[in-house]
Amino acid sequence: AQSVTQLGSHVSVSEGALVLLRCNYSSSVPPYLFWYVQYPNQGLQLLLKYTTGATLVKGINGFEAEFKKSETSFHLTKPSAHMSDAAEYFCAVRKSSSYKLIFGSGTRLLVRP
Amino acid sequence: EPEVTQTPSHQVTQMGQEVILRCVPISNHLYFYWYRQILGQKVEFLVSFYNNEISEKSEIFDDQFSVERPDGSNFTLKIRSTKLEDSAMYFCASSRGEAISGNTIYFGEGSWLTVV
Repeated sequence: AQSVTQLGSHVSVSEGALVLLRCNYSSSVPPYLFWYVQYPNQGLQLLLKYTTGATLVKGINGFEAEFKKSETSFHLTKPSAHMSDAAEYFCAVRKSSSYKLIFGSGTRLLVRP
Repeated sequence: EPEVTQTPSHQVTQMGQEVILRCVPISNHLYFYWYRQILGQKVEFLVSFYNNEISEKSEIFDDQFSVERPDGSNFTLKIRSTKLEDSAMYFCASSRGEAISGNTIYFGEGSWLTVV
């Protein structure tokens, strides 16, 4: 069965610092991988996704993630945090043969001035 | 930018009552989904719907639940006899093409259901 683990329910960084949100997955077949962001009182918004091809994926708002098959990881990074990045971030995985997204438990990013 | 809209944003209902959550997917999208998130837990897949048929459902989506596209624009989730454990945020989503093919799934803002 597929699963997603996000290390750290809360991550706090200073404004301008590197953001690193960790995601590891388990899947018996190569999955599709996603990062979604949820701002307060809003829905889930796609940040970026990996399906095939280049393993370093760039998304919106300066975020990027790298698919590392050997480590079964898809960590999300941003070189310099902005106050507006404060939100909850969800990693998700989907088998190529399924409609179902399987989500991690989410990581709340706090950005300190 | 087109978006998925959901109504109501918040509903309180008595246990045993029927609830209908409504969604208007993005207009040229063909694939529709419902997910839910119980407070403090993960977002969970409920069902996917295409061409007026359920294409995939989870074990959560039992006979208590049903989905319908009653007209060309709405997509509804009905919970027949609500239980306390149905209290959750329910997210509607849609995609233009098959999610299987890597098409992006767009989510609404959610409908918060409280069963008392």
